[in-house]
Amino acid sequence: SSELTQDPAVSVALGQTVRITCQGDSLRSYYASWYQQKPGQAPVLVIYGKNNRPSGIPDRFSGSSSGNTASLTITGAQAEDEADYYCNSRDSSGNRLFGGGTKLTVL
Amino acid sequence: QVQLQESGPGLVKPSQTLSLTCTVSGGSISSGDYYWSWIRQPPGKGLEWIGYIYYSGSTYYNPSLKSRVTISVDTSKNQFSLKLSSVTAADTAVYYCAREGNYYDSSGYWGWYFDYWGQGTLVTVSS
Repeated sequence: SSELTQDPAVSVALGQTVRITCQGDSLRSYYASWYQQKPGQAPVLVIYGKNNRPSGIPDRFSGSSSGNTASLTITGAQAEDEADYYCNSRDSSGNRLFGGGTKLTVL
Repeated sequence: QVQLQESGPGLVKPSQTLSLTCTVSGGSISSGDYYWSWIRQPPGKGLEWIGYIYYSGSTYYNPSLKSRVTISVDTSKNQFSLKLSSVTAADTAVYYCAREGNYYDSSGYWGWYFDYWGQGTLVTVSS
């Protein structure tokens, strides 16, 4: 199916590690990209390709993929990482897909 | 530094056509390395991709919106535009324009990503 599925909400204790996942058939064929969105702001690209971070993104953000699941891992979560996170990919027809988003709470 | 800026009316009446323009600075739409997309986000909801245009004018639209969407490009002004016809309250959203690049590695996989986004503009559909 042409959908990407994310858990609606995840929480993590300050300084701990959290994994946010994204599932979809298209991820068997294409890499996901990941975006962080804070309230009232445009999304920001944090991970693309196999595990690439744009300039300015802290190295505590990393990406991985296995089968139909892509994951965004934050190692040593900080208070400023509290945000919504979206995965994105495409299907075989060229349609671009977004996951429903995961709200990350840093406790 | 590439920058994108959306512009257009913030209020559109039901059944009318929503029109927005994205002005790109710091880079050329005609470079050929990127696609140029529109993405929207209803209040309190997730992101929805609307469609893209390439500098040559080729387009691809989200099948769920295809019958109502037109995206065009003006390379002389370094702008691309969105028209969405027959709008309803369900089209109320923040509309973003974004640049899309692609990635290919030795394992044979492709990936696409939106690396630059406009700040977004809220369009409300209401009479």
